[in-house]
Amino acid sequence: AQKITQTQPGMFVQEKEAVTLDCTYDTSDQSYGLFWYKQPSSGEMIFLIYQGSYDEQNATEGRYSLNFQKARKSANLVISASQLGDSAMYFCAMRENQGGSEKLVFGKGTKLTVNP
Amino acid sequence: GAGVSQTPSNKVTEKGKYVELRCDPISGHTALYWYRQSLGQGPEFLIYFQGTGAADDSGLPNDRFFAVRPEGSVSTLKIQRTERGDSAVYLCASSSGGPNEQYFGPGTRLTVT
Repeated sequence: AQKITQTQPGMFVQEKEAVTLDCTYDTSDQSYGLFWYKQPSSGEMIFLIYQGSYDEQNATEGRYSLNFQKARKSANLVISASQLGDSAMYFCAMRENQGGSEKLVFGKGTKLTVNP
Repeated sequence: GAGVSQTPSNKVTEKGKYVELRCDPISGHTALYWYRQSLGQGPEFLIYFQGTGAADDSGLPNDRFFAVRPEGSVSTLKIQRTERGDSAVYLCASSSGGPNEQYFGPGTRLTVT
């Protein structure tokens, strides 16, 4: 079963507008972490934001916020005031805190294009 | 400070050859991870080191793949008898462990002809 699902292969947004990238996850763990990474065309994975499963409040980092809905098992990324430099692939990932492994499981990604 | 570095950035090899990919983690990071990213996919976990030992190697696809981290810092991913299906970008990441985020290197693009 797919653990991380990103249903939007591509998204388009106008510069300065907000955009939401969807992510749903599947786990039976009570303790887990959710991450979003950005991958520009250069290829490097850039960490954006983290949400722990026990965190009461939604995580925010500058223009990035994570809309965490635990009961629905969703962890959507919201980017406010989009910039041209936000054009990239965006990956949602989960770390399950079981068995001592800290591996990340990634979704297939969403390609975001910001139009001027 | 310096980030995660990987060498080489690109590697082209013939089917059946042996290759080594190197990863230099961020100084002081005890945890090191290898992932493989095929075209159009997210990264897939290969192996995780905590210090010198492999804490989880469940992602290695078969026994042609092996990784070491002898002094708890630099790691080498070794692939024997390469196959065309091994062509991908190999990503290395490091972290200080626990719930902290993983910092990725620029990757090595491996092409097997």
